[in-house]
Amino acid sequence: QQPVQSPQAVILREGEDAVINCSSSKALYSVHWYRQKHGEAPVFLMILLKGGEQKGHEKISASFNEKKQQSSLYLTASQLSYSGTYFCGTEGGSGGSNYKLTFGKGTLLTVNP
Amino acid sequence: DTAVSQTPKYLVTQMGNDKSIKCEQNLGHDTMYWYKQDSKKFLKIMFSYNNKELIINETVPNRFSPKSPDKAHLNLHINSLELGDSAVYFCASSQGSSGGETQYFGPGTRLLVL
Repeated sequence: QQPVQSPQAVILREGEDAVINCSSSKALYSVHWYRQKHGEAPVFLMILLKGGEQKGHEKISASFNEKKQQSSLYLTASQLSYSGTYFCGTEGGSGGSNYKLTFGKGTLLTVNP
Repeated sequence: DTAVSQTPKYLVTQMGNDKSIKCEQNLGHDTMYWYKQDSKKFLKIMFSYNNKELIINETVPNRFSPKSPDKAHLNLHINSLELGDSAVYFCASSQGSSGGETQYFGPGTRLLVL
């Protein structure tokens, strides 16, 4: 099942903060966050794994509530370069191989001067 | 050096034609993927290969046939192209397929079927 992202879109002024949420109806093994700028490929931001491990950029922070199957991406002191569409991708299950990443519909973030 | 590369970048073709898209990664990864991103930006996995072996095969028309000649290459051949095949096709790779692996995306191939 596809994870649900909110909000669908957000507009910020430079320096403001934003939170993007991702929720799933099934148990999750991991949550992945990507940013995609118009006409470009998705770029990896962060992975949050069941059990608390995180891998990603130092300037990006995120949380993963395993019990609620929810993740949030925190963008603080936003810069113009943060503009783009943010996707969360989820992997379900509790072990095994051949994990599949299912992406949400994306959150369009626009940062204005 | 480009980590994941795709050719061609743009592909414009007529309905009914057959076309191929090629992908190469120089990251030494074992797992490669094909994703389709439609006009609403919905990104959906199509196929995945691990060490040349097909491990994920989503509900995709059998007009789409992936091939992995070696673990650094993954190609996508599409027969009898239809208007609905117009989309951006992304190739990606990851170290493995056991979960929690960072996926690195190629630049995409923009396919337009007329």
